[in-house]
Amino acid sequence: GENVEQHPSTLSVQEGDSAVIKCTYPDSASNYFPWYKQELGKRPQLIIDIRSNVGEKKDQRIAVTLNKTAKHFSLHITETQPEDSAVYFCAASINRGFYFGSGTKLNVKP
Amino acid sequence: DSGVTQTPKHLITATGQRVTLRCSPRSGDLSVYWYQQSLDQGLQFLIQYYNGEERAKGNILERFSAQQFPDLHSELNLSSLELGDSALYFCASSVGGYSNQPQHFGDGTRLSIL
Repeated sequence: GENVEQHPSTLSVQEGDSAVIKCTYPDSASNYFPWYKQELGKRPQLIIDIRSNVGEKKDQRIAVTLNKTAKHFSLHITETQPEDSAVYFCAASINRGFYFGSGTKLNVKP
Repeated sequence: DSGVTQTPKHLITATGQRVTLRCSPRSGDLSVYWYQQSLDQGLQFLIQYYNGEERAKGNILERFSAQQFPDLHSELNLSSLELGDSALYFCASSVGGYSNQPQHFGDGTRLSIL
């Protein structure tokens, strides 16, 4: 199938703490893994992506790691801020299509 | 502003009707993707077009169809509408035809079926 599994579905952290969201994908041929942030009622916005030839990518407080052998990838947000509160979606290219995880609702408490 | 334009922003119609949603990709992008997002749900991939041709098909119902025109704008047609079709419909565009490139989303069309 084309299921991208994403966990947890909700995540609550204190401001300044780190947050980690994990996704697994079924197809070892998948080669592109983006993460999107979606605020309520708005469009998904690309925040970081990684390709299968790279194990880790970092952009300021956000990083993504990829384990091709285990077919999973993770989003790491450090020093979380209240404005990081949103729904985060992972995605993977599978069989010429593009499939999203079910989303993680992140709540950063001030 | 992502550069992807979707019209209309809102659409209210009744069961059994047919509607057309429109998407204009970012300048220079040749691919258009359509997604359905139901309330509190994830993004369901429907279909992708690249330079006028269907490129990939996801979980698109037979009642739904799409096309991409020579000017690269795309339309998603939804027919015999049911209550369960109420959702936010997004289109996204990317430069090339492979699904391994960044996609940029429009603001969506909110479809409400009464």
